[in-house]
Amino acid sequence: EAGVTQSPTHLIKTRGQQVTLRCSPISGHTSVYWYQQALGLGLQFLLWYDEGEERNRGNFPPRFSGRQFPNYSSELNVNALELEDSALYLCASNAPPSGNTIYFGEGSWLTVV
Amino acid sequence: SQQGEEDPQALSIQEGENATMNCSYKTSINNLQWYRQNSGRGLVHLILIRSNEREKHSGRLRVTLDTSKKSSSLLITASRAADTASYFCATDRGGSNYKLTFGKGTLLTVNP
Repeated sequence: EAGVTQSPTHLIKTRGQQVTLRCSPISGHTSVYWYQQALGLGLQFLLWYDEGEERNRGNFPPRFSGRQFPNYSSELNVNALELEDSALYLCASNAPPSGNTIYFGEGSWLTVV
Repeated sequence: SQQGEEDPQALSIQEGENATMNCSYKTSINNLQWYRQNSGRGLVHLILIRSNEREKHSGRLRVTLDTSKKSSSLLITASRAADTASYFCATDRGGSNYKLTFGKGTLLTVNP
């Protein structure tokens, strides 16, 4: 069974640009979570999508947004990139109920120059 | 404030020794999970312990949970060089605003 897959694995963007990161959850999982892991800062919760709806959002500005598609895959969009957005962006999924184990993908490394 | 604070921040041991990492949290929880992360990679789930459980084992891993002290410990027995990684605890409070909150992790180095 395939795990959580993310794309792209690495990318470099310029300040002010926009980026879209993609995530496919494990088959049968309806919830997708996005986390940001900046160097030395631990994992910061970004967004939780379940059944196509945004269920919870972390303390990030509105230029961080996303969506979940009918097939439960998800996109994370970041507009007006800033240098401090450079981080590993991790996607995770689980099946309901929400207290079940969350499984992570390998992440997308974003560097903003 | 950070829910899930691991200590120590870094731990260096010799192969064959046991490694103990601790996690403290501030609010009541539904579940507590431990994850490992090899450098620059995704997180791998190790074990989940529910708030009504006190101890769980999985292979060389032993997790305890003390809800009265709001703390958990992860013990890795007979460590191997391949156990070198960062270890994170993560808590959730359940409910409709579910989210998993991570600490900053313990970097474990197992020297051959």
